[in-house]
Amino acid sequence: GDQVEQSPSALSLHEGTGSALRCNFTTTMRAVQWFRKNSRGSLINLFYLASGTKENGRLKSAFDSKERYSTLHIRDAQLEDSGTYFCAAWTGGYKVVFGSGTRLLVSP
Amino acid sequence: DMKVTQMPRYLIKRMGENVLLECGQDMSHETMYWYRQDPGLGLQLIYISYDVDSNSEGDIPKGYRVSRKKREHFSLILDSAKTNQTSVYFCASSNRDRGGNTLYFGEGSRLIVV
Repeated sequence: GDQVEQSPSALSLHEGTGSALRCNFTTTMRAVQWFRKNSRGSLINLFYLASGTKENGRLKSAFDSKERYSTLHIRDAQLEDSGTYFCAAWTGGYKVVFGSGTRLLVSP
Repeated sequence: DMKVTQMPRYLIKRMGENVLLECGQDMSHETMYWYRQDPGLGLQLIYISYDVDSNSEGDIPKGYRVSRKKREHFSLILDSAKTNQTSVYFCASSNRDRGGNTLYFGEGSRLIVV
């Protein structure tokens, strides 16, 4: 079936540094969305992309449907960026498949 | 203010009891979803609703049923809760915008079945 492989499963960053999260898809996806689950357990919308790249502050996301991947770049990480990040891919119609999440810990 | 609201946020039930999780959205979205999230498994789709009284099973519907009598409300019902239904449940809604969809999530409902 349709699957999403998200990596890494866990990531530790020092404040001010950056890294990238990645989701690989086993099939062509129509769009991708990135979320952050905060300390209260709420899912926060970060990006929705049907193609190309989007940037918002210190976050930047890219989606390549043909190459079957999406990335989320974090630069100048801050303590409040800690949380679990999920990608979700739209397979077509209303079906969405989720990655298993990346636990990010930003330390001083 | 675009919002998806879930009630209750926390719930403890005994095995065999009935559970009702409620979800509301103020965006007039046609489509609503119920997911559960367990460690290491991401979010799994339980049911999807395309509109009032138009519901469809997701990937893990067994042990659950849903009700959508008004567009803004979508309920998840467990008629006889089991311990393996202990989880965090997320409701979401979506619209169709410029050929795509964006999911809006509620804050989650943590259910513990003992």
